[in-house]
Amino acid sequence: DADVTQTPRNRITKTGKRIMLECSQTKGHDRMYWYRQDPGLGLQLIYYSFDVKDINKGEISDGYSVSRQAQAKFSLSLESAIPNQTALYFCATMAGATGELFFGEGSRLTVL
Amino acid sequence: GQQVMQIPQYQHVQEGEDFTTYCNSSTTLSNIQWYKQRPGGHPVFLIQLVKSGEVKKQKRLTFQFGEAKKNSSLHITATQTTDVGTYFCAGGFWGAGNMLTFGGGTRLMVKP
Repeated sequence: DADVTQTPRNRITKTGKRIMLECSQTKGHDRMYWYRQDPGLGLQLIYYSFDVKDINKGEISDGYSVSRQAQAKFSLSLESAIPNQTALYFCATMAGATGELFFGEGSRLTVL
Repeated sequence: GQQVMQIPQYQHVQEGEDFTTYCNSSTTLSNIQWYKQRPGGHPVFLIQLVKSGEVKKQKRLTFQFGEAKKNSSLHITATQTTDVGTYFCAGGFWGAGNMLTFGGGTRLMVKP
């Protein structure tokens, strides 16, 4: 089983719909991240959380919100999806000792 | 904001040829990490460099961190088809905690 699990893996939705992407981890890491990947743009940070009570905006937080329900769970929401939010979304955890990021399998979102 | 530039964006090589990707930052980095993403997969951590002028090797892969800690490179000797994927660097900046800024990635394609 994957250490960082994302659901759904694929989602097609319509403009204006609310979407939630979920992430859970079994690595026991405090730090969790949501990234967005677009071709040629690398990985852009949306939100990050250092623990349940510490949530911070990343480079591209507009149009997104997050919830850290527990140490192991970090959800990303699009309140009203728009087509330019079509992308591949990755959740990641960070090992505190090494700074290494562990990524989930990704959630591919298409907004029509 | 802090940026990490990565070149080239794409590289086609014949199997057996060497490959190099470069990352540059306008400001000094605290550390740099490298990740590999196979087609359809998620980024996977390769290595972290911390010291000025550091060189690390993993089999056919050689990673370097510049003396000024503003640039880094990944060199693959005698590429194989298993090397196909996108290679990302991710730079850490002083004062940014454990935040990483990703380069745009270099997509490597290897012709057998």
